[in-house]
Formats: sequence, C-alpha cells, structure tokens
Amino acid sequence: NAGVTQTPKFQVLKTGQSMTLQCAQDMNHEYMSWYRQDPGMGLRLIHYSVGAGITDQGEVPNGYNVSRSTTEDFPLRLLSAAPSQTSVYFCASSYFGTSGYEQYFGPGTRLTVT
Amino acid sequence: AQRVTQPEKLLSVFKGAPVELKCNYSYSGSPELFWYVQYSRQRLQLLLRHISRESIKGFTADLNKGETSFHLKKPFAQEEDSAMYYCEGGGADGLTFGKGTHLIIQP
Repeated sequence: NAGVTQTPKFQVLKTGQSMTLQCAQDMNHEYMSWYRQDPGMGLRLIHYSVGAGITDQGEVPNGYNVSRSTTEDFPLRLLSAAPSQTSVYFCASSYFGTSGYEQYFGPGTRLTVT
Repeated sequence: AQRVTQPEKLLSVFKGAPVELKCNYSYSGSPELFWYVQYSRQRLQLLLRHISRESIKGFTADLNKGETSFHLKKPFAQEEDSAMYYCEGGGADGLTFGKGTHLIIQP
C-alpha cells in the first residue's frame, strides 16, 4: 500500500492563480479530509468527505473547493490564490475499525503564494 | 464547541529528563483521544490512542476524565524525540486538533 499520497510536494503561485492539490489513498477509506498547518495555529480542517459524492466544510473552508468523485481521490482546489493561503497542506484518510478510529496523513504540500 | 488545548507552544527539556506534554479537552461524553508526532519536514504519524492504552517509543498517555486531560509522558527523553506533537480529540460530532507543542530535547 502506498497509503496517502499528495502531489505536488512544493508549489509557488502568484496571487490570483488557481491550482489543484491532489490527494489519493489506496486503503479504501471512506473518510478523507484536508488540513492546513500554520505556525502557532496547529492543524485546521478545511474540508472533509465521508464518502464518494459527499463533502462538507470544516473550520476554514473559504477559498477552497473539494470534490469526491471516487473513494480514492480527494482533490483540493484553490480558485484564486491569496497570500493568506501560504501554508502546508495535509490530506488524511481515516476509518473506524474494530480497534477504533485511525487516521493516516499524506506527506504534505508546501504552498507559497506571492 | 469541542476544544482541544495544548497550553505549551514550546517545551524544552534535557536528554534523560522526564517529559510531559499537556493536552486538555472539552467534550462531555466519552472522548476519542490521540497523540500525533511530526518530525521535521515529515508527515504526521499517529503516536498512540487512548483506547489501546499502548506505549509507543516509550511514550504513554492516560485519560483522566476528572481533569479532562490526556497528557503525553515519557520518563527519560531522548534527542530523537524532538518534534511537534499534536493532540486530537472529540467525539461523535467530530475531532479537533490542538495547536501543537514543539518539543526540543537538549543534549
């Protein structure tokens, strides 16, 4: 299993540009989520999905869109990048098993918006 | 709203000294609680879960419902323990992360 993969690892955007951060998991997990990690703020939930075709907003959804057309993929779209979106983005997938809830994180995407 | 509080942004201890990273939660039911570790420029990794009462890399954490705490402890810190530590907790309404504690182990 590759686990949770994210591409790209690094990205520099200019203000107003759009882009999509890719996230994929091969563990057949129903639940996937996107977080941003900022100094002093910890991890904040952007959007999440409880299954294919179902998405919902997290704590900081503004400026981001998501879709979940398949169980495996959960891309995060920035429609018009802003410097405030400079951050490290983590995708995660999780499941509720017999031993409880377990979450797996991708390696992160470091995004800089100039 | 559920909250997870990690009161220390930075914790510095000497190698061999005991470590305690604090985590308090506000959830009225039976919470699910986790600790994650993130080494420099690496992905977050699950360190331990309260439900399994395990010890990973010498770390343990005990749920104290009276104090609504889930502090992470290690009796003797090692230099490789230097990392960011995140507490996550909540219940049926969802899980939230604390802001993280940067643990620095000095030689």
